[in-house]
Amino acid sequence: GAVVSQHPSWVICKSGTSVKIECRSLDFQATTMFWYRQFPKQSLMLMATSNEGSKATYEQGVEKDKFLINHASLTLSTLTVTSAHPEDSSFYICSATRESGANVLTFGAGSRLTVL
Amino acid sequence: DAKTTQPPSMDCAEGRAANLPCNHSTISGNEYVYWYRQIHSQGPQYIIHGLKNNETNEMASLIITEDRKSSTLILPHATLRDTAVYYCIVRGRGFKTIFGAGTRLFVKA
Repeated sequence: GAVVSQHPSWVICKSGTSVKIECRSLDFQATTMFWYRQFPKQSLMLMATSNEGSKATYEQGVEKDKFLINHASLTLSTLTVTSAHPEDSSFYICSATRESGANVLTFGAGSRLTVL
Repeated sequence: DAKTTQPPSMDCAEGRAANLPCNHSTISGNEYVYWYRQIHSQGPQYIIHGLKNNETNEMASLIITEDRKSSTLILPHATLRDTAVYYCIVRGRGFKTIFGAGTRLFVKA
């Protein structure tokens, strides 16, 4: 089955620093990956669509300069939270889909970011 | 993408069937119904999907009404490990997956 690996699973950083989260599709190629964030007791909120070889498409209200997305290969997308602040503390989840078939999304295990 | 409506929470006794309803009255002809679940502090897990016909796999069954305006996810023999938030999502192929609030299922011993 399709597997998506996300790293790191949790990270603590100081305010003002940048944090990079990696999302890899391990056994399939994904031209499109999606990044979500989730606050406690809330649902997942789509942040952006990551397209291999092109710029990401951000949802309304998501700062593209704050959340840098790079999708340099068919199996890797990265999310960099730049100049992180405590309000950026959240659970970040990536997902990927095979382009064929029913477009079922496979999700990573998530990355919990805590900004001090 | 069509909007879905789910009850915020449900209880189910362990070993009994859990029936989770979902309304999607504005679904269009090329949109699928997908179900995912999220166990606490984990990424969502795909359960099942369908277009028109009822579907069954090793995890669950999906019953879609003939007019496609609602569906029911059935976990035939719920266990404590099935306690999670269940999301019903309607979308066409290639479109974004937008999550609603979902149904929080509590399976009780």
